[in-house]
Amino acid sequence: DIVMTQSPDSLAVSLGERATINCRSSQSVLYDSDNKNSLAWYQQRPGQPPKLLISWASTRETGVPDRFSGSGSGTDFTLTISSLQAEDVAVYYCQQYYSTLLTFGGGTKVEIK
Amino acid sequence: EAQLVESGGGLVKPGGSLRLSCVGSGFIFSNAWLSWVRQAPGKGLEWVARIKSKYNGGTIDYAAPVKGRVTISRDDSKNTLYLQMNSLKIDDTAVYYCATGLIFDIWGQGTTVTVSS
Repeated sequence: DIVMTQSPDSLAVSLGERATINCRSSQSVLYDSDNKNSLAWYQQRPGQPPKLLISWASTRETGVPDRFSGSGSGTDFTLTISSLQAEDVAVYYCQQYYSTLLTFGGGTKVEIK
Repeated sequence: EAQLVESGGGLVKPGGSLRLSCVGSGFIFSNAWLSWVRQAPGKGLEWVARIKSKYNGGTIDYAAPVKGRVTISRDDSKNTLYLQMNSLKIDDTAVYYCATGLIFDIWGQGTTVTVSS
C-alpha cells in the first residue's frame, strides 16, 4: 500500500495568516503518461462528512475559495490556505488514488491562534 | 442536487453481522464508482471498499483490514450500494460513509456502527 504521511498533526494560525499543510507519499503518485498527480485534498469540519477541495494535486473544485491552493509533484505535496478564515477550522486530509488500494493521510487539524 | 444517504448502522456484538445501505439520487447512479470509507471515533479516514460501474467491469477492491469479512455490492435498479459486514471486530467501530468516484466528490452523512459486547 502507498503510505501517506501528513505534517504537522495540528497547527494554530491567526486569522488572515497563511496555513501550510504537507503530505508525503511513500512512492510517486505521478502518472508519467499525462504528467498528472493522483492526489486529492479534503476538508472535514466538526460533525460533518469530508468535502473535496482539490484533485490532481492542484485543481480546485467548483465553489472552493481561491485562498485554498494545492501544489507539489511526485511524492511531496502541499495544501496552502493563504488567508485563514474562521470557517476554515477543520481537519484536512490528503488522499492518493494512484493505486487501486486507496489511502489517506492521517489528517492535520487547523485551529485559530 | 446529488446526494447519498446511508442507513443500517447500529450496535452489534463481536462476531456479528450487519448490512449497510447507501441510496443515491441526483446523479446517474449506474455510471458511478462507489466506495465505503470509515472513520473510527476520533481517528482519521480509512477507505474500506470500492465497486466500479458495470460499464467499467464492476471491479471490486477491498482494504486489507476488511478483506474476507466484508462484501460490497450494488443494485443499480434501486440506486443502492451495500456493504455486508461479517465477523465484526471491536476495531470495526466507526462512522461508515459512502462516497462516489475515483476522487470522492459526493459523500453521505454517514451511519454509525458500534461493535461491543
